[in-house]
Amino acid sequence: AQSVTQPDIHITVSEGASLELRCNYSYGATPYLFWYVQSPGQGLQLLLKYFSGDTLVQGIKGFEAEFKRSQSSFNLRKPSVHWSDAAEYFCAVGTSYDKVIFGPGTSLSVIP
Amino acid sequence: NAGVTQTPKFRILKIGQSMTLQCTQDMNHNYMYWYRQDPGMGLKLIYYSVGAGITDKGEVPNGYNVSRSTTEDFPLRLELAAPSQTSVYFCASSSPGGGTEAFFGQGTRLTVV
Repeated sequence: AQSVTQPDIHITVSEGASLELRCNYSYGATPYLFWYVQSPGQGLQLLLKYFSGDTLVQGIKGFEAEFKRSQSSFNLRKPSVHWSDAAEYFCAVGTSYDKVIFGPGTSLSVIP
Repeated sequence: NAGVTQTPKFRILKIGQSMTLQCTQDMNHNYMYWYRQDPGMGLKLIYYSVGAGITDKGEVPNGYNVSRSTTEDFPLRLELAAPSQTSVYFCASSSPGGGTEAFFGQGTRLTVV
């Protein structure tokens, strides 16, 4: 069965600094990979997704993620963080035949 | 386009009371899910369904029941509310294949006192 890990429970960055959130998955074939963001008191919103093609995918709000098959990773990046990016971030994996599995989440704090 | 709709948004229950959290989706998705989210604990899968008439337990099913009589609706039932069920509940739906993502409702904040 597929699984997702997010090694960092909480990350704090300064506004304007770069950001990388880690995600590792376990699955025998090429999965469908997603990053979601949850702002305080809100539901989950899709940032970006990968299912084939270019391994570097662009998402909303200036985020991007890179699929690395050799490392079973799908890390989320942003070159310059804004205070409004403070939120909970969830990585998820899906397949063509099974349910979507979510990672435990990484909480991002942004220092002004 | 309504997507996934959850009702109610907020609810306070007394210990031992019962209630049903409603969830409906209009995207004809086969898969539907119920999660609970406690502060700092991520999403815990309660139950999920792969289609009408089929349900299965997730990580934390105790104290909950579900049914899936139609593709659109996936209600979550709490029979005897306990303080440990105080949480935010999210319903989601997805379709296997094609890389389609899960779509979430806005959540139900439940407090059991």
